Amino acid sequence: EVHLVESGGGVVRPGGSLRLSCTASGFTVGDYDMSWVRQAPGKGLEWVSGINWNGGRLGYVDSVKGRFTISRDNAKNSLYLQMNSLRAEDTAFYYCTRDRLSGGGGDWYFDLWGRGTLVTVSS
Amino acid sequence: SYELTQAPSVSVSPGQTARITCSGDALSKKYAYWYQQKSGQAPVLVIYEDTKRPSGFPERFSGSSSGTMATLTISGAQVEDEGDYYCYSTDSSGNHRVFGGGTKLTVL
Repeated sequence: EVHLVESGGGVVRPGGSLRLSCTASGFTVGDYDMSWVRQAPGKGLEWVSGINWNGGRLGYVDSVKGRFTISRDNAKNSLYLQMNSLRAEDTAFYYCTRDRLSGGGGDWYFDLWGRGTLVTVSS
Repeated sequence: SYELTQAPSVSVSPGQTARITCSGDALSKKYAYWYQQKSGQAPVLVIYEDTKRPSGFPERFSGSSSGTMATLTISGAQVEDEGDYYCYSTDSSGNHRVFGGGTKLTVL
């Protein structure tokens, strides 16, 4: 069975840093593009960042550019998100997702999600 | 920035048909995807590429798209279908990956 498990969440002060990890089981991470999606408590979903299979192409939502860095280690079957200069508005559950390319080849979507890890930014 | 618009809530009685819509300018060119999120759980893919259903998902869930609107239909909704439903797509360039605001489905 395929799974994604996130870790690394916690409480951090504004301006602080945190590194999230995501470990996959049941499939080879290196065969897929991957993303992080977040959800503030009681709010909707927001794509945060994505990385292609070999780490050669990265993408970020405007609100985290310059502060967050996505990376991967295919040998460890893992995905990471380094979060610096954290703000209160970054408080959210962070989900690791596996990306799939649509049949038409034009769109990426998320076909597998982890259970999420909670990041709380508070003084 | 690109937006997908959903109604905040939909309510039906058990056995009735629930329809959840999602509107966006680029939906005439881009696929819509639907995710179900039950309370305290991670989202799960319900419909992909407008109309396709992942294997193992109940047949009462179906998707359609016409013009700039996509629709998730639950035929014969059941109490266990309650939750939040999010549409997802990209803008016409494919560079911006966007979720709708979510629709809370109540079945009672």
